Amino acid sequence: DIQLTQSPSFLSASVGDRLTISCRASQGISNDLAWYQQKPGKAPKLLIYTASTLQYGVPSRFSGSGSGTEFTLTISSLQPEDFATYHCQQLNSYPLTFGGGTKVEIK
Amino acid sequence: EVQLVESGGGLVQPGGSLRLSCAASGFISSDYYMEWVRQAPGKGLEWVGRARDKGNGYTTEYAASVKGRFTISRDASQNSLFLQMSSLKTDDTAVYYCVRVAKCSGGWNCFDSWGQGTLVTVSS
Repeated sequence: DIQLTQSPSFLSASVGDRLTISCRASQGISNDLAWYQQKPGKAPKLLIYTASTLQYGVPSRFSGSGSGTEFTLTISSLQPEDFATYHCQQLNSYPLTFGGGTKVEIK
Repeated sequence: EVQLVESGGGLVQPGGSLRLSCAASGFISSDYYMEWVRQAPGKGLEWVGRARDKGNGYTTEYAASVKGRFTISRDASQNSLFLQMSSLKTDDTAVYYCVRVAKCSGGWNCFDSWGQGTLVTVSS
């Protein structure tokens, strides 16, 4: 199985900060990676697919990059509504797997 | 508007069975891959399984943790997806999400619509 390691697992930040979350795969997955945002008590929401393609309707302050084993989600200027948990997911091979999540809280 | 509504969750004893349903609206579910993803309380997301679209024969894939115990099926006439769960264990306690997968950038790689989830609690 492909393991995804997200770092950090917890992040304290302020409105306006630039944020970077890392997702490392245990083996190469090309660009078969997605990022989701999840707020408490809610279902996840797709932000980015194929590592860097922004889902329709997602603000442009979100961006993704990477290929192979190293991936990054960046929020250029953190907004109040961005405080949430972020998950990465690989869709390269079965079983599809998720990272452990990164919780972003207000400093 | 695309909508997915799960139902059927509840409290069940270890070793018991439960059937979850996912009613789709706003799109023809048989034209899409559909997934089940679960989340144990306070934990991360775990992929449970997949049912491919009609063009791919509705074939299925499962996570090792549920293979042989869970079965995904579809009913095109009801525009619905089902998850039959048997031999349930306490580790199966989770919110179960029904997910639509769209074809993006040439592959079935967009988990683009999620239901609100239904809670399954396995406990004696």
